[in-house]
Amino acid sequence: GQNIDQPTEMTATEGAIVQINCTYQTSGFNGLFWYQQHAGEAPTFLSYNVLDGLEEKGRFSSFLSRSKGYSYLLLKELQMKDSASYLCAVVYNYGQNFVFGPGTRLSVLP
Amino acid sequence: GAGVSQSPSNKVTEKGKDVELRCDPISGHTALYWYRQSLGQGLEFLIYFQGNSAPDKSGLPSDRFSAERTGGSVSTLTIQRTQQEDSAVYLCATSYQTGLWDTQYFGPGTRLTVL
Repeated sequence: GQNIDQPTEMTATEGAIVQINCTYQTSGFNGLFWYQQHAGEAPTFLSYNVLDGLEEKGRFSSFLSRSKGYSYLLLKELQMKDSASYLCAVVYNYGQNFVFGPGTRLSVLP
Repeated sequence: GAGVSQSPSNKVTEKGKDVELRCDPISGHTALYWYRQSLGQGLEFLIYFQGNSAPDKSGLPSDRFSAERTGGSVSTLTIQRTQQEDSAVYLCATSYQTGLWDTQYFGPGTRLTVL
């Protein structure tokens, strides 16, 4: 199978930095997405990584290492509104498969 | 412009009944996806329509599930003889380009409860 692993839950303090990791099986890998999903709402796009390295978008950055089957989402200057689930999703086999991880529920505390 | 819309927003049905869930994509988006999300679980891919090509049905959990997309636009997901384990939020997403690596825009979902 094409299992994707993420921590189930994380807690951080407002204003802090948090890193959410995602590991995946490398065979057939084509790209990796991060989505944010607030409780009771649909997922929204955050980032897409195809090449190795760090992609920065404001307070959010996403990193990819294709050889290690590893990605992380970095959230800086955490705000209460960042409390949500963060979903890692991988495209495999030139678009034949698209697999979501179980998501990481992030709680930001004051 | 309008985003992806889904109807109904909530559906309560009795076990054994058939249900139809509708998805209206963003205008011009050629790819359309259906997912299922059970309470507290991740997204489960169900089916993918890419332009006018035959859909990728590899994720459908059983032959009770079917989907169609008329005229490359609106899509309907049909669940026949519903079971309690079908209870979940059914999400539709669309993307502009015909490739799974394009950004997907999600609708608000249909919450299905099978009693």
